[in-house]
Amino acid sequence: DAGVIQSPRHEVTEMGQEVTLRCKPISGHNSLFWYRQTMMRGLELLIYFNNNVPIDDSGMPEDRFSAKMPNASFSTLKIQPSEPRDSAVYFCASSPTTGIQPQHFGDGTRLSIL
Amino acid sequence: DAKTTQPTSMDCAEGRAANLPCNHSTISGNEYVYWYRQIHSQGPQYIIHGLKNNETNEMASLIITEDRKSSTLILPHATLRDTAVYYCIVRVHNQGAQKLVFGQGTRLTINP
Repeated sequence: DAGVIQSPRHEVTEMGQEVTLRCKPISGHNSLFWYRQTMMRGLELLIYFNNNVPIDDSGMPEDRFSAKMPNASFSTLKIQPSEPRDSAVYFCASSPTTGIQPQHFGDGTRLSIL
Repeated sequence: DAKTTQPTSMDCAEGRAANLPCNHSTISGNEYVYWYRQIHSQGPQYIIHGLKNNETNEMASLIITEDRKSSTLILPHATLRDTAVYYCIVRVHNQGAQKLVFGQGTRLTINP
């Protein structure tokens, strides 16, 4: 079975540029999560969706960050304009909505803003 | 969600059982205990979860105390590939997906 697929695996770009991270959840999973991991702050939830609808975006750091889920098999996390402090590893995870099923994580996108 | 406390780091010899403790003294009756681990440069990986009974799967065993204020994750025969950061998380279940709140975890090093 294919797991959660994230792309790109690595991204290096200059400050001020737009960055788009992509995620394909596991087929049949109704919930999708975006996390960010840094040395200083650890692993923190940015936003999550249930059935393509954003439920909790309280972790999104500021208006430069936006996330969409146009359908059940695709989500994007966009940063515009990007800043050096956005450098981190961004993880996407998915899970079935109901029950006590665990979240399954992708391998992450390592983002470096110069 | 209840806060958890874990040791910052632990060492274990290869082939021995690794016992990772977690304190969650403020856990509520409807909160589950989850364990994840993160191997370097990979996404977190689900290990096991439980409510009040001890649980075992192909990866590990989870022992929860009777008062549910603490738990122990047991890797019965640790290998070098078990070197990772282990996260203990408690969360409540109700309708809809639930977010995970990760702490700093325990950095487990398996030594040859």
